[in-house]
Amino acid sequence: DIQMTQSPSTLSASVGDRVIVTCRASQSISSWLAWYQQKPGKAPKLLIYKASSLESGVPSRFSGSGSGTEFTLTISNLQPDDFATYYCQQYNSYSRTFGQGTKLEIK
Amino acid sequence: EVQLVESGGGLVQPGRSLRLSCTASGFTFGDYAMSWVRQAPGKGLEWVGFIRSKNYGGTTEYAASVKGRFTISRDDSKSIAYLQMNSLKTEDTGVYYCTRDTLITMVRAYYYFMDVWGKGTTVTVSS
Repeated sequence: DIQMTQSPSTLSASVGDRVIVTCRASQSISSWLAWYQQKPGKAPKLLIYKASSLESGVPSRFSGSGSGTEFTLTISNLQPDDFATYYCQQYNSYSRTFGQGTKLEIK
Repeated sequence: EVQLVESGGGLVQPGRSLRLSCTASGFTFGDYAMSWVRQAPGKGLEWVGFIRSKNYGGTTEYAASVKGRFTISRDDSKSIAYLQMNSLKTEDTGVYYCTRDTLITMVRAYYYFMDVWGKGTTVTVSS
């Protein structure tokens, strides 16, 4: 299986900041990567698919980039609603795997 | 409104069975593959398995951790996907989500990502 590694595991930031979450794949996955946001007690929500395509209804302050094995999720002008846990997930193969998650906390 | 609603979770003893259901509405269920994803308490997300649409054979794939114990099926006439869980272990405890899988087709290759999630149902395996 393809292993996905996110960094950092925890990120402290303030409202208005710009933050970057990194995701690395153990082998090339082209652009077959999605990003999800999960709040406590809630289901994950799709933010980004195909590495950089913004899901409908997701604010434009979220953006994704990368290809191959290195990917980033950037959140600009952090809003209070953005403090959550973020997961990357590869879908290069049917055996989809997630990163371990990055918890974004209020500083 | 596109919606997925899971049901069937509960407390079950190790070695017993449980069947989860995922009822879909707001879209043409038969056109989509469906996945199950689980999350152990305080842990990350783990893909469990999926079932392709009938147009793509209706076949299934599973994570190694559940292969041979779990079975996914679908009833397109009722817009329901099922997860039959047998020989349950304590490590199967968690919240189980069903998801709608959107397909991207390339030349002789298929890529599925999860675009709609249900709210989840909790399974507790304990004696």
